[in-house]
Order: sequence, then structure tokens, then C-alpha cells
Amino acid sequence: GAVVSQHPSRVICKSGTSVKIECRSLDFQATTMFWYRQFPKQSLMLMATSNEGSKATYEQGVEKDKFLINHASLTLSTLTVTSAHPEDSSFYICSAISAPQGGTEAFFGQGTRLTVV
Amino acid sequence: GDSVTQMEGPVTLSEEAFLTINCTYTATGYPSLFWYVQYPGEGLQLLLKATKADDKGSNKGFEATYRKETTSFHLEKGSVQVSDSAVYFCAQRAGGGADGLTFGKGTHLIIQP
Repeated sequence: GAVVSQHPSRVICKSGTSVKIECRSLDFQATTMFWYRQFPKQSLMLMATSNEGSKATYEQGVEKDKFLINHASLTLSTLTVTSAHPEDSSFYICSAISAPQGGTEAFFGQGTRLTVV
Repeated sequence: GDSVTQMEGPVTLSEEAFLTINCTYTATGYPSLFWYVQYPGEGLQLLLKATKADDKGSNKGFEATYRKETTSFHLEKGSVQVSDSAVYFCAQRAGGGADGLTFGKGTHLIIQP
């Protein structure tokens, strides 16, 4: 299947700093990318949907000024956690689909474990 | 809103045992249903899917049938192997393929030799 690479896999940052997470589709063009967040023993929660070249659509309750998403090309989307706080510590996962068509499979990155100290 | 409920883990079985992981969903429309598997240190991989009622998804010996009347999509395998040890996520997607997925909490499956 197609490969989605997410980097870094783990990051520790100080409170108040910003962290950027990259999500790349390695062998296909991703017209749509999704960002999820997973708390321990909880579901993956959809944070936002991004389409190449347009603004991301955020789910209710997700602060768009805190979680900046850029989908500048068909192979790269980035999530920047700005002014991170300990409560932002979580597991962040991206996924990508190659076309906005019914039944299209979503491919997932390996996830990024963010710890804010 | 849309949601997915799956049995809590961990589920521990002996090799060659029969596996069932229950999954039920709530949705306003007619979602597509999925099972994803996450092996240690790897990303989620699609295991199987069903897009309409009574469809059966199958892959690697795993099966799940889309039951509209019971809003369920239970995952089954007749004889599990140690290599099946992983976390399994049930998920739904409403509408077209451009929507994000709604996941269950995941079930950690441990198969002992």
C-alpha cells in the first residue's frame, strides 16, 4: 500500500515553545490530509481536514490558532502546535487520501508522541 | 453525533483460539465501516472494510459483516496467531471519501503461544 511518513516520531519541548510535525505522502499525491489526536486509552479524535492549497477545516472545539495546519503541496502537510502547554501532550497522527472519492482508503503515518514539559 | 464503541481490552487469547472483537456504531446516515490494525511501532493499516449493509469485509483470515439492523461490525477470526497481536480499531466514515474517520478506542489483542 501507499506510504505516509510522519516526522518526528517523538518530541519533547518546553512549555511556551512551538513544535512542527510533518506528514508526507511518499508515493502518491494526497489531495486531502487529516490530523488526529489520541489521548491514552481514548479514541483517535479528528482535529482537522486539510486540502492542498486551501485552508484547513477544524473540528468543533479545536483551536485553529493553536494548531496551525499547512497543506502547501500534494505530498506535505504540517501541523504546528503553537505556545505548547503540558495539556497539549498527546499522540498526533496524520492520514492521507489520494482523491476525495467515496471508498478511498486512508493511509496513516506512524504518529508523533509530543511531550510538553 | 456519530460514534463507535468497541470492547475494552486487553484481550488475551491462546494461539489458535477463536477471536471476536465487538464493534457497534451510531450514525445519522449510512456510513462506511472499517477495521484498522496497528502493530507495535507502526502506523494504522486498513485491515478490512464494508461500505453497505450486509457487505462482508475480509482479509488475512479476519472477517466482519456490516449489520445495519444491529448497527454492528464485529471482527472475527477463526484461529489467531501470535503475529496477530496488535491494537485493533473499529471506525466509520460518513458521507463521501473526503470525510475524516470516527474511531473506537481500540482493543489491544495479545496472543500467547
